Amino acid sequence: EDQVTQSPEALRLQEGESSSLNCSYTVSGLRGLFWYRQDPGKGPEFLFTLYSAGEEKEKERLKATLTKKESFLHITAPKPEDSATYLCAVQEDTNAGKSTFGDGTTLTVKP
Amino acid sequence: DAGVTQSPTHLIKTRGQHVTLRCSPISGHKSVSWYQQVLGQGPQFIFQYYEKEERGRGNFPDRFSARQFPNYSSELNVNALLLGDSALYLCASSLTWTGGTEAFFGQGTRLTVV
Repeated sequence: EDQVTQSPEALRLQEGESSSLNCSYTVSGLRGLFWYRQDPGKGPEFLFTLYSAGEEKEKERLKATLTKKESFLHITAPKPEDSATYLCAVQEDTNAGKSTFGDGTTLTVKP
Repeated sequence: DAGVTQSPTHLIKTRGQHVTLRCSPISGHKSVSWYQQVLGQGPQFIFQYYEKEERGRGNFPDRFSARQFPNYSSELNVNALLLGDSALYLCASSLTWTGGTEAFFGQGTRLTVV
């Protein structure tokens, strides 16, 4: 069965202090890996899709990378408005309509 | 363009009651999926529908059911509510049911069972 583990559970950064969030996954055949941002009480907001090892995507201060076993979300010079929970999800080849989510990393950026 | 809309936004029900949650997908999206998110955890897959047919089902009891209408909107029904059903219920729409494309989520329905 697909498994997704995110670490750390919580991360507190000072504004401008860069860091990375980790998503480790186990899946028989990867259809896609997705990163979402979720603000309290709201639905997840799509950030990136990665399909194959070596792929990278960037958006503003965020950069997502993918290997065969894990994905990283790098946050460069974060701002307080980047504070949120970041969720990672995978879709498997044989059950591609279903996304399996990790429990997320809650990021707090202090000014 | 309107995003995914869910109704109601909040709901309080008593144990044993029945509840119906509603979702309208993004225009042009034919796939709707339902997820349950308990506080502090990631969303758990419940159902996926595409062109009114069930395409996937997660590990949830038969008390949970869903359907999709010709206009691609969807309902999630939960019978005989338990305290453990209290959660944020999320609806997501996507272009296809075969995966590989991003899903867009609604704001969710917060269900509290007392």
